[in-house]
Amino acid sequence: DTAVSQTPKYLVTQMGNDKSIKCEQNLGHDTMYWYKQDSKKFLKIMFSYNNKELIINETVPNRFSPKSPDKAHLNLHINSLELGDSAVYFCASSQRGGLVTEAFFGQGTRLTVV
Amino acid sequence: GDSVTQMEGPVTLSEEAFLTINCTYTATGYPSLFWYVQYPGEGLQLLLKATKADDKGSNKGFEATYRKETTSFHLEKGSVQVSDSAVYFCALSDPTFSGGYNKLIFGAGTRLAVHP
Repeated sequence: DTAVSQTPKYLVTQMGNDKSIKCEQNLGHDTMYWYKQDSKKFLKIMFSYNNKELIINETVPNRFSPKSPDKAHLNLHINSLELGDSAVYFCASSQRGGLVTEAFFGQGTRLTVV
Repeated sequence: GDSVTQMEGPVTLSEEAFLTINCTYTATGYPSLFWYVQYPGEGLQLLLKATKADDKGSNKGFEATYRKETTSFHLEKGSVQVSDSAVYFCALSDPTFSGGYNKLIFGAGTRLAVHP
């Protein structure tokens, strides 16, 4: 029973295309995140949503647009894909409040732009 | 801003050797500290955490102690196994400065390879 699931796991697409990655969590958490892992394995937060509201928006190109239809889902849409967008994108979720709680990560989506 | 620095890899060890992966941090407040592990082809899993100074996190034989005086959170294991081969990430989170949300700041990751 997967806690945080992302689809697709692999995505190969051409430059200029628009693509979406979907994420769902069944942990009942109220906060979800997108992280980007580059080719050197470096991980950086991109966005965070709490109860469908955008709360963290790091310096990310406008071509990236997250959408949260409900607190269990956070999708990432990318317009006009560029070669530099090739990376592994991880979705995560956690519960806000109190001491820091564990963030649960999905398996990742490996995006390759050719 | 806050940051995490961890030793560069890869770290190559023989089975049953002692493991240390160094991690130091810079933070404005009093963050919580984490070690995450990423096995080949998989997502990140929390390995252990510590939420205040002098706390020791431990799991699966791994340990790390939150040292405020040296701003460090080094990962150790007394006897590594081949199955421990993975990439290990040190991370911090300080909800005080991120509106109560778990914004993780990661180190660059250290690849560990254990040979029989």
